Amino acid sequence: SAVISQKPSRDICQRGTSLTIQCQVDSQVTMMFWYRQQPGQSLTLIATANQGSEATYESGFVIDKFPISRPNLTFSTLTVSNMSPEDSSIYLCSVRDRGVGGSNQPQHFGDGTRLSIL
Amino acid sequence: GDSVTQMEGPVTLSEEAFLTINCTYTATGYPSLFWYVQYPGEGLQLLLKATKADDKGSNKGFEATYRKETTSFHLEKGSVQVSDSAVYFCALSSNQAGTALIFGKGTTLSVSS
Repeated sequence: SAVISQKPSRDICQRGTSLTIQCQVDSQVTMMFWYRQQPGQSLTLIATANQGSEATYESGFVIDKFPISRPNLTFSTLTVSNMSPEDSSIYLCSVRDRGVGGSNQPQHFGDGTRLSIL
Repeated sequence: GDSVTQMEGPVTLSEEAFLTINCTYTATGYPSLFWYVQYPGEGLQLLLKATKADDKGSNKGFEATYRKETTSFHLEKGSVQVSDSAVYFCALSSNQAGTALIFGKGTTLSVSS
């Protein structure tokens, strides 16, 4: 299965600043997903990022706040813009294996970026 | 739309006790079902999966059976260990190509020696 590396693993940021999170995969994958996990909560999908097309955002998330890049099949970035304390969360990158079965394939996750906003 | 309902936690057990974490789902068609585990300070790891009715997924002593008639995928383990303390997430993948996993709210398991 794919191995996913996320950077940074954690950060403490000032209100009003922006942070870009990087996600590197050790194999080519078609579909990459970005999730947010607020303290003590489940995972909420922010957007789906496919190479060569604009990211698709879920309800409640907008491109101006969470711009995403997907320049190739092994890399993506998520930027959290103009941060406020409410953005303090774990941000997780996830990919789905390429292979027969499509949506039957599991998703794999990076270790996440733990973000605290002061 | 599709959804997953998981039993609320936290679940607190003594070592070697039997574990059940309930998970039910709502979906059109025939989704694939997954259990993930999140240890403190880490990301999510796939624990087991089942892709069709009556399939049983198993890993590390954990088991779950895909029950279409009850739309359930309960996680069980016969004898838990302290090292099993973690948050467990039930998830489904719909048949729609290109869609992400839908997660339950997670159940925190705490095992004491």
